[in-house]
Amino acid sequence: LAKTTQPISMDSYEGQEVNITCSHNNIATNDYITWYQQFPSQGPRFIIQGYKTKVTNEVASLFIPADRKSSTLSLPRVSLSDTAVYYCLVGDIGNQGGKLIFGQGTELSVKP
Amino acid sequence: AAGVIQSPRHLIKEKRETATLKCYPIPRHDTVYWYQQGPGQDPQFLISFYEKMQSDKGSIPDRFSAQQFSDYHSELNMSSLELGDSALYFCASSLTGAAPGNEQFFGPGTRLTVL
Repeated sequence: LAKTTQPISMDSYEGQEVNITCSHNNIATNDYITWYQQFPSQGPRFIIQGYKTKVTNEVASLFIPADRKSSTLSLPRVSLSDTAVYYCLVGDIGNQGGKLIFGQGTELSVKP
Repeated sequence: AAGVIQSPRHLIKEKRETATLKCYPIPRHDTVYWYQQGPGQDPQFLISFYEKMQSDKGSIPDRFSAQQFSDYHSELNMSSLELGDSALYFCASSLTGAAPGNEQFFGPGTRLTVL
């Protein structure tokens, strides 16, 4: 599975847009890019997934450039409740039994 | 909507004891995963089952075993417990072919403390 690199931590204020960039230089043709969110002592929660270009849902947007060697998770107008660890995962998730390989996530702290 | 159920939520054991963690996936989900998350660490994949057959294996110690039963619930059996086994154990389930690609739904976890 492709190795990912993302910032260890980020700080933001309520109402701001937060962009977390993940590098995955060795991404393979069949790999998808998936982001999970985890609050302390809770299981990770799926946020968004994409293959290329831009994907948007009610929670976030995911921007993927043409070379797919990086991706950016965008959280619009964050609130205190968005304080969590965000994981970028890259892999052939489409296969059955597709395990998730968590690397070091980004600890986002939202301040009032 | 029904979620993944894990029991017990908390478990305290002594070294060298055994423990059994249970997981009840979301109805109709065909794949179950087990993850271990130590204090301050990222979740680590242990093992997964697809349609009651082991489908993948990660960094699961030989002292651990798991199975999925005919009703799709899964159990993680842990023997000869060590202090280092203290962690949060998450179970997740997914439905193959569901969009987006095999989104995994995590349970609330079982916090195992080994004394």
